[in-house]
Amino acid sequence: GAVVSQHPSRVICKSGTSVKIECRSLDFQATTMFWYRQFPKQSLMLMATSNEGSKATYEQGVEKDKFLINHASLTLSTLTVTSAHPEDSSFYICSANSGTESYEQYFGPGTRLTVT
Amino acid sequence: AQSVTQPDIHITVSEGASLELRCNYSYGATPYLFWYVQSPGQGLQLLLKYFSGDTLVQGIKGFEAEFKRSQSSFNLRKPSVHWSDAAEYFCAVAPAGGYQKVTFGTGTKLQVIP
Repeated sequence: GAVVSQHPSRVICKSGTSVKIECRSLDFQATTMFWYRQFPKQSLMLMATSNEGSKATYEQGVEKDKFLINHASLTLSTLTVTSAHPEDSSFYICSANSGTESYEQYFGPGTRLTVT
Repeated sequence: AQSVTQPDIHITVSEGASLELRCNYSYGATPYLFWYVQSPGQGLQLLLKYFSGDTLVQGIKGFEAEFKRSQSSFNLRKPSVHWSDAAEYFCAVAPAGGYQKVTFGTGTKLQVIP
């Protein structure tokens, strides 16, 4: 149980275009989903926290208009990187929490974004 | 602000040898503590977590960790390492009772040699 999927696993896009990454909780309802960014050989940096049906809460330094997050249902959150630039190339990982007492985040497998 | 320090960036051990990965945290109270493992190009898998109670926590894959309040440490251990344990290991901390703000350490890359 507690499986989180991400799609796509890899994406290459041209500079200036937008790309959408989906995060789905497959066997539980995710009250909260998190989006992280991981630079090569570095740790995960929390970008934003999203609760179903409400606006995402962004961490300091993360541009809301550039990284659009939508959490329209209890099983799906999307991250759209708008007007992508090469510096947006990174590994994006989502996680989901069911809101149970375990307070555990279940992580997706990640999406490798390359902007050319 | 909470922070996590993993002093060892890279560790190499022989298969069958014991392993200890260090983790120190900085936080005003006792936080929730986690260890995750990440294989190349993959997401994170939870190895174990500490919320309260017994300070020696057993996890999956034969891993355990010990919470030492006096040293603000949560070191991960395994008595006998297998080649499949080669991966990156992240220690993480979150405020007790409101874990949403999880802070990750910089990670320790484990290499296992035959």
